[in-house]
Amino acid sequence: GQQLNQSPQSMFIQEGEDVSMNCTSSSIFNTWLWYKQDPGEGPVLLIALYKAGELTSNGRLTAQFGITRKDSFLNISASIPSDVGIYFCAGPLGGGKLIFGQGTELSVKP
Amino acid sequence: GAGVSQSPSNKVTEKGKDVELRCDPISGHTALYWYRQSLGQGLEFLIYFQGNSAPDKSGLPSDRFSAERTGGSVSTLTIQRTQQEDSAVYLCASSAAGGPYNEQFFGPGTRLTVL
Repeated sequence: GQQLNQSPQSMFIQEGEDVSMNCTSSSIFNTWLWYKQDPGEGPVLLIALYKAGELTSNGRLTAQFGITRKDSFLNISASIPSDVGIYFCAGPLGGGKLIFGQGTELSVKP
Repeated sequence: GAGVSQSPSNKVTEKGKDVELRCDPISGHTALYWYRQSLGQGLEFLIYFQGNSAPDKSGLPSDRFSAERTGGSVSTLTIQRTQQEDSAVYLCASSAAGGPYNEQFFGPGTRLTVL
């Protein structure tokens, strides 16, 4: 079946550093989504990408929809302590369902 | 403007018991989804309700799992004869409509622990 592979699985960085994470798929997606999950909460949508090659920003976050439509990247610039959490990529499976990657857990040291 | 709510927030049960988890979606949202999140894993799709259509149950892991949605609003996920491997966070989401993609808003989840 379809799989989304995220890397890295976890990151430990210093406040102020930039962060990069990526997601690859075994098949093509027409939409890529990036979510963040804070401890004890449900995931919240950060960025949605709808077109191959698209580069979209949301504050300090920038995400790109890979040209092959089989990958996507999320960058966080100048990290701050509240960036801590688990970041998930996701793509539509059809019929409204989503498939999620395993997540990248981000820890930020003040 | 309440978001998606779920209850209970935590549930501890003994192996073999039945449990019911509740989800109240955002008012007016026609689509409702259940996902399961095991420790250190991503979200696994379980079941999807869209309006009055028959639900998509393709993600339910066994016949011990079932869900219903009453009156197009509140949903209950039932797990019968719970097993230890059922321990996970169960997340509910709703969206304004189904279809190719509409933003899904998630509740805080119910953490289920089966002893």
